[in-house]
Amino acid sequence: LAKTTQPISMDSYEGQEVNITCSHNNIATNDYITWYQQFPSQGPRFIIQGYKTKVTNEVASLFIPADRKSSTLSLPRVSLSDTAVYYCLVGDERDNYGQNFVFGPGTRLSVLP
Amino acid sequence: DTGVSQDPRHKITKRGQNVTFRCDPISEHNRLYWYRQTLGQGPEFLTYFQNEAQLEKSRLLSDRFSAERPKGSFSTLEIQRTEQGDSAMYLCASSSTWGGTAYEQYFGPGTRLTVT
Repeated sequence: LAKTTQPISMDSYEGQEVNITCSHNNIATNDYITWYQQFPSQGPRFIIQGYKTKVTNEVASLFIPADRKSSTLSLPRVSLSDTAVYYCLVGDERDNYGQNFVFGPGTRLSVLP
Repeated sequence: DTGVSQDPRHKITKRGQNVTFRCDPISEHNRLYWYRQTLGQGPEFLTYFQNEAQLEKSRLLSDRFSAERPKGSFSTLEIQRTEQGDSAMYLCASSSTWGGTAYEQYFGPGTRLTVT
């Protein structure tokens, strides 16, 4: 089970690009990296998933270096509505991953006006 | 709205009472999960179903907790003899093993339980 480490909190201003890095030194060959976003009083929402290099969707980009020991979630031009907790998860879908589907405390992003 | 609904949204109960929560997943999703979340923490896995089969339960799950998913559709989570430590947000999520990634789970809005 690959453990992840993220900053507990980050502050940013509207319009800036935000990069949240997750460390996962023990990532296994078959593990994917998945990021979720959670607003207060709501369930988490899937943002993006990747295995290597770069993945981009309409919401964010995910950068994964060749050694895959870390990953960076990039949010372009954040707005106040991006204030949320962001979770990084690592795991192999083929496992009995219930026990392995571990959300840490996440990164609390505060976007300021 | 993710398409996953939970009922009730809030529940206040006295210690020692039994409570039951319901989750309606996205209809075509074959996997359903229950999580518990306390303030300032990420969701903690409780159990999951594939269709009607309960495939996994957290090692931390007390025997006061039981979950069912009859006919592989909606699911219920029951807590018997509630304790104050059971106060938390209970989240349900669903995913599909067909054409999607199992890590792409769709979460409901949660049921907030307060045990007094």
